[in-house]
Amino acid sequence: DAGVTQSPTHLIKTRGQQVTLRCSPKSGHDTVSWYQQALGQGPQFIFQYYEEEERQRGNFPDRFSGHQFPNYSSELNVNALLLGDSALYLCASSFTGVVGYTFGSGTRLTVV
Amino acid sequence: KQEVTQIPAALSVPEGENLVLNCSFTDSAIYNLQWFRQDPGKGLTSLLLIQSSQREQTSGRLNASLDKSSGRSTLYIAASQPGDSATYLCAPTYGNNRLAFGKGNQVVVIP
Repeated sequence: DAGVTQSPTHLIKTRGQQVTLRCSPKSGHDTVSWYQQALGQGPQFIFQYYEEEERQRGNFPDRFSGHQFPNYSSELNVNALLLGDSALYLCASSFTGVVGYTFGSGTRLTVV
Repeated sequence: KQEVTQIPAALSVPEGENLVLNCSFTDSAIYNLQWFRQDPGKGLTSLLLIQSSQREQTSGRLNASLDKSSGRSTLYIAASQPGDSATYLCAPTYGNNRLAFGKGNQVVVIP
């Protein structure tokens, strides 16, 4: 049973560019959450998607946006990249009504 | 604000010693609490989940306790091994269905 799959694993972008990260949730899961983890820090909540809607959002600017598709997979988009956006981006999936989250291996984004 | 503090930030122990990792959280209105393991540059692996109504949870050499009223959880790892070297993250879940994380306990087990 595949867990949470994220792509790509690594990428390098230039300041001002836009990036799209992808996540496929664990089989049977319907909720996807995105987290940003800067070096040496704990993960910070970006937003959560359920039934193709953004259900809640953390303290991140509008440059961060997302989408959830009918098959529950999700994308995280970041516009106008800043050096400070360099981080490990983690996707976590869960099933509504069942406790616990499963995390993917993350996407390492480097902005130069 | 839902803040999570983990102490100690880093520790090194000789192989075979027991590990005690502490987590405190400011908002005690949690639904449950998960402990995760993270290897350098990798994702999070769930170790244990404790429901808010539980006092502890065990899996093999790992035991996690929860004192919801005082906002504390402790992860015990018995008879540590070099393969236990990693960062351990504590994450309470709140009613808004999001996890709050601390910076983690960075553990090195010396052979």
